[in-house]
Amino acid sequence: QSALTQPRSVSGSPGQPVTISCTGTSRDVGDYNYVSWYQQHPGKAPKLMIYDVTKRPSGVPDRFSGSKSGNTASLTISGLQAEDEADYYCCSYAGSYTWVFGGGTKLTVL
Amino acid sequence: EVQLVESGGGLVKPGGSLRLSCAASGFTFSTYHMNWVRQAPGKGLEWVSSITTSSTYIYYADSVKGRFTISRDNARNSLYLQMNNLRAEDTAVYYCARDDPYSGYDYDYWGQGTLVTVSS
Repeated sequence: QSALTQPRSVSGSPGQPVTISCTGTSRDVGDYNYVSWYQQHPGKAPKLMIYDVTKRPSGVPDRFSGSKSGNTASLTISGLQAEDEADYYCCSYAGSYTWVFGGGTKLTVL
Repeated sequence: EVQLVESGGGLVKPGGSLRLSCAASGFTFSTYHMNWVRQAPGKGLEWVSSITTSSTYIYYADSVKGRFTISRDNARNSLYLQMNNLRAEDTAVYYCARDDPYSGYDYDYWGQGTLVTVSS
């Protein structure tokens, strides 16, 4: 299984929207609505932000949203805040009880 | 409060073995599928292995199949990863992660991780 493709870095100013893409194939992202997104601050454990493409766990701010089109999933943060600066990873179910992650995107809040 | 605490990491020579443990608390461990996910230094996350509640079904990434063994002890609220024939590319922080009960296809709680370094 090849890792999903994410941009290495994105940036935005406070209050601005930013979108992180996650491109897979028809055997993972394109075939299942089981894409999740994780936020990881330096030296910390990952935190679930989005699951099943669009669903938000309790406690995650509603400025975080997820979507998918074809083989590409996206995480959008509608109004950036300083605390959103972190690494973000997408993950997709890839069939046969296997999962594949993206390489990660470093989000910088300018 | 859900807590997952990994232990057992350390420095090991190529070809060596190590057993990781994950102590769970704050939830009914026996009713959740569990997983190991790793992260090489400065790299992304990689799914390693999953185990169902009663250990009936077990799954591995191709990169560790035949070398790693996942197991659990529901009486002790513990998850394990036996790692044999370790290679340099197995160097990573290993996280224990709980299956999200709302989906079953993501991980809703993670431990802080334990570092495994494979080097001569």
